[in-house]
Amino acid sequence: KAGVTQTPRYLIKTRGQQVTLSCSPISGHRSVSWYQQTPGQGLQFLFEYFSETQRNKGNFPGRFSGRQFSNSRSEMNVSTLELGDSALYLCASSLALLAGERRTEAFFGQGTRLTVV
Amino acid sequence: DAKTTQPPSMDCAEGRAANLPCNHSTISGNEYVYWYRQIHSQGPQYIIHGLKNNETNEMASLIITEDRKSSTLILPHATLRDTAVYYCIVRDSNAGGTSYGKLTFGQGTILTVHP
Repeated sequence: KAGVTQTPRYLIKTRGQQVTLSCSPISGHRSVSWYQQTPGQGLQFLFEYFSETQRNKGNFPGRFSGRQFSNSRSEMNVSTLELGDSALYLCASSLALLAGERRTEAFFGQGTRLTVV
Repeated sequence: DAKTTQPPSMDCAEGRAANLPCNHSTISGNEYVYWYRQIHSQGPQYIIHGLKNNETNEMASLIITEDRKSSTLILPHATLRDTAVYYCIVRDSNAGGTSYGKLTFGQGTILTVHP
């Protein structure tokens, strides 16, 4: 089956602009999480969506936001871009994440490489 | 989620077994040990997970000590394509609470497989 698809793969933006990244989860997966990876900070959790609701959020400023659609596809947006936002942005999908359910493993996409100049 | 400690780097000869250790001394009874790896510039890839019994799949074996304070990921016949950063992560078995969807990655172990 198709894996997690992230678009675009590469993006160059100018400081002050905004950007929208897209993630299509594996068919049937209801949970989508986003991560930022930089050489200095490593992989850091941004937020997680399930059934169009944000259920968990990492320690990032409000310039980072996201949403999930009824078909589980998700987008994340970064407004007023800063040089430090240059990173690999990764999306992961999971089959089921309800309280009391057994965790299932997360599957990651290839990421979107964002460069802010 | 409990904190994990891994060596920053390891080397392995191609064809030999690669044994990657992970310490998780504060693990609680309902927490699983997960392993992921990340090949350069790609998204992390799930490898294996376990609670207390040893586990094996087509990619690797996971050995968890009896006290569950440490574990070892074993790649039985390492190839050059196994060169990657390997992450050991401890997660609550219950998908609810404040840890929804969150994987806490440490720095991992850079495994280099040599010809």
